[in-house]
Amino acid sequence: KNEVEQSPQNLTAQEGEFITINCSYSVGISALHWLQQHPGGGIVSLFMLSSGKKKHGRLIATINIQEKHSSLHITASHPRDSAVYICAVSGGGATNKLIFGTGTLLAVQP
Amino acid sequence: ETGVTQSPTHLIKTRGQQVTLRCSSQSGHNTVSWYQQALGQGPQFIFQYYREEENGRGNFPPRFSGLQFPNYSSELNVNALELDDSALYLCASSLNPTGYGYTFGSGTRLTVV
Repeated sequence: KNEVEQSPQNLTAQEGEFITINCSYSVGISALHWLQQHPGGGIVSLFMLSSGKKKHGRLIATINIQEKHSSLHITASHPRDSAVYICAVSGGGATNKLIFGTGTLLAVQP
Repeated sequence: ETGVTQSPTHLIKTRGQQVTLRCSSQSGHNTVSWYQQALGQGPQFIFQYYREEENGRGNFPPRFSGLQFPNYSSELNVNALELDDSALYLCASSLNPTGYGYTFGSGTRLTVV
């Protein structure tokens, strides 16, 4: 079982829909990250959370530390939101390395 | 403020060859972490360099090695390439090893044939 699990693996939505991507983790963390990866590889950091909720434009990220669960919400989705969304956790320690989920492939259709 | 730059963007090598990938860290960041992302998988931690020293390593064999230079740029070297080394190699810089903000490069796509 992976230490970071995401669902769904694939998601197709119509433009304007509200989207939720879920992430569960089984290790102790110092922070949780939501990342966006476009075809071609480049990764962009969207959020870093250690508690509560953060909002940036149409994106909202929440985390429940007790339940070891986080969600990424996209309101009023748009085709340009199509990408892979990756949840990753920082485990702390000397390197604070990231442990990644396998990602959610989102396709928003016009 | 410059971001993280990786070079080359794409590379094709033959099994058994050696390869060097390069990464420039974001201005002000002294820590560089390397990740390998196989097709359809999440990235896996290879190692981290901090102030020119290896600061931690994932589950990768010794033929994966690295360097960090005084300007905090970094190299990833892979010897005796195997077909399974084909992947996207990502570099991420951070303010320090325990800094939580990461800046990622666009990656180097390595294909081993």
